[in-house]
Amino acid sequence: DTAVSQTPKYLVTQMGNDKSIKCEQNLGHDTMYWYKQDSKKFLKIMFSYNNKELIINETVPNRFSPKSPDKAHLNLHINSLELGDSAVYFCASSPRGLDTEAFFGQGTRLTVV
Amino acid sequence: QKEVEQNSGPLSVPEGAIASLNCTYSDRGSQSFFWYRQYSGKSPELIMFIYSNGDKEDGRFTAQLNKASQYVSLLIRDSQPSDSATYLCAVLRGGSNYKLTFGKGTLLTVNP
Repeated sequence: DTAVSQTPKYLVTQMGNDKSIKCEQNLGHDTMYWYKQDSKKFLKIMFSYNNKELIINETVPNRFSPKSPDKAHLNLHINSLELGDSAVYFCASSPRGLDTEAFFGQGTRLTVV
Repeated sequence: QKEVEQNSGPLSVPEGAIASLNCTYSDRGSQSFFWYRQYSGKSPELIMFIYSNGDKEDGRFTAQLNKASQYVSLLIRDSQPSDSATYLCAVLRGGSNYKLTFGKGTLLTVNP
């Protein structure tokens, strides 16, 4: 059973389009994240949610809108895609606590052409 | 100042040697510290965490934490070619703004 699953795994789209990435975790975790990993492998936090509530928004352009319908799901919708949005997007989840592991999805490789 | 800084490398060591990976952080409110390993094209996976000053050993891996110096390191003994990967340092700030922040990672290559 996949603990954190993201769909799709690959996404190729044209500039200006709108796209969504879905994430689901079956671990019962309270906290979920979206990270962006660029070509230099920097894993940059975008959003953090706790029990469906937005906790952290790391100055992400408002073209990016996360939505958490319940604590097991955290989706990412991106409007008006730009070339610079090309990256691998990782969803992760963790329990609350100081000694807890974050579990990552397999990543979504987004390519904007 | 970046929140979590690591030498980007690449770091190259011969098989059997000790690999030393370093990380500094800026937020004194950080409470826990993690080392993740990421193979090319894969997701990060946890190697170990530490939250008390001193050393913590797990097999061939030893994490070291010095909160006064805001410094955390990972030593890999008897390095193997299978250890070749990017190593990501992460720091956790707890409380109401629960946040796990990663460094840029250090690429380690272990040569047979």
